[in-house]
Amino acid sequence: GAGVSQTPSNKVTEKGKYVELRCDPISGHTALYWYRQSLGQGPEFLIYFQGTGAADDSGLPNDRFFAVRPEGSVSTLKIQRTERGDSAVYLCASSPVLSTDTQYFGPGTRLTVL
Amino acid sequence: SQQGEEDPQALSIQEGENATMNCSYKTSINNLQWYRQNSGRGLVHLILIRSNEREKHSGRLRVTLDTSKKSSSLLITASRAADTASYFCATDGPTGNMLTFGGGTRLMVKP
Repeated sequence: GAGVSQTPSNKVTEKGKYVELRCDPISGHTALYWYRQSLGQGPEFLIYFQGTGAADDSGLPNDRFFAVRPEGSVSTLKIQRTERGDSAVYLCASSPVLSTDTQYFGPGTRLTVL
Repeated sequence: SQQGEEDPQALSIQEGENATMNCSYKTSINNLQWYRQNSGRGLVHLILIRSNEREKHSGRLRVTLDTSKKSSSLLITASRAADTASYFCATDGPTGNMLTFGGGTRLMVKP
């Protein structure tokens, strides 16, 4: 079946602008995770959802970052007033249940803030 | 913050040689996983080893885990040019359900 998809694959924006990054998880997966990967580093956790609710948002770096999953499927990561330091690859993953055992990753969205 | 350190940061070998990558972590874990990433994009799960296991094999991959030393190693035998990628270890984080990744080893296998 289809894997995790993320759109857009690349996003270039200017400092101060607002961006939305979308994640479509594998159908039926109840858990959804967002990670951020800066150049040359490993991914870092941002937030995860169990169903519609944000179960843990402790990895969000500041209040410019927000994520939603209103119907328990598609999720959108929203970044306000983007800064150059937000440039990174944003990775989404999903799993059948909330677990670290079986997270399936999407291809990521590469965000570049000029 | 990153849980683990990986060693070496970069590794270059000839096709046919074995590649060994090491990972150290800081807190107690339930499991440790290795992932592969091509060209800085999607992560592909390779293998998972639980805290009560010491060694696990999958094809040309061998993973060891030493919980007393808080370290793991990934061995790729008979490497191929197609194995060129970045390899990351990941542990279940201190509070459970998220993955905490190391900094990665960039492997280059020369044909």
